[in-house]
Amino acid sequence: QVQLQESGPGVVKPSQTLSLTCTVFGGSISRSDSYWTWIRQAPGKGLEWIGYIYYSGRTYYNPSLLSRVSISVDTSQNQFSLRLTSVTAADTAVYYCARKSYLNAYDYWGQGTMLSVSS
Amino acid sequence: QSALTQPASVSGSPGQSITISCTGTGSDVGGYNYVSWYQQHPGQAPQVMIYDVTHRPSGVSDRFSGSKSGNTASLTISGLQAGDEADYYCSSYTRSSTWVFGGGTKVTIL
Repeated sequence: QVQLQESGPGVVKPSQTLSLTCTVFGGSISRSDSYWTWIRQAPGKGLEWIGYIYYSGRTYYNPSLLSRVSISVDTSQNQFSLRLTSVTAADTAVYYCARKSYLNAYDYWGQGTMLSVSS
Repeated sequence: QSALTQPASVSGSPGQSITISCTGTGSDVGGYNYVSWYQQHPGQAPQVMIYDVTHRPSGVSDRFSGSKSGNTASLTISGLQAGDEADYYCSSYTRSSTWVFGGGTKVTIL
């Protein structure tokens, strides 16, 4: 049973860089059928796809975040990470990590971590 | 990329059926059979209910079914139960090799 767990600072100041990590338990991050994904949800709003990474390092990003986002993978730690630069209040959200499987759907999710942008 | 269009809310009485629509374009919903649906209860992570337009993951009730016509996908919940009250989101693969979600639909059991 795959489990994902996000970790992060909780609060980031405006204009700074947000960094979050997702640790994968119960399976290898190097699976050929999996894309490791970040999705966020602003308070009271819908889901927004941020991007995902394959274990080889290939990435795909939401065009609206392309200039500020990067996702990386550390196969030795079974982790992948999100980096978002120049944050504003609009980046305040619950950030979820999830797995896109061969089912072409997000079948495993972390519990989510709240990230607030505040001075 | 623009979010897929869903109704803000849908309601129904216990035992009834409801349908939630999800409208996109030929570059996403209409162009690929990679539409999925997610149920989200308050304070919880979403859970996949339908993948590849019509398929149910193991463990999901057969009261949930999906379909697609042109640029619009639909989720039908039959035999409504109190536990079905939640937010529902559709998602689709896009021509840009990215994914997009719908704005979400709040389902209320009357």
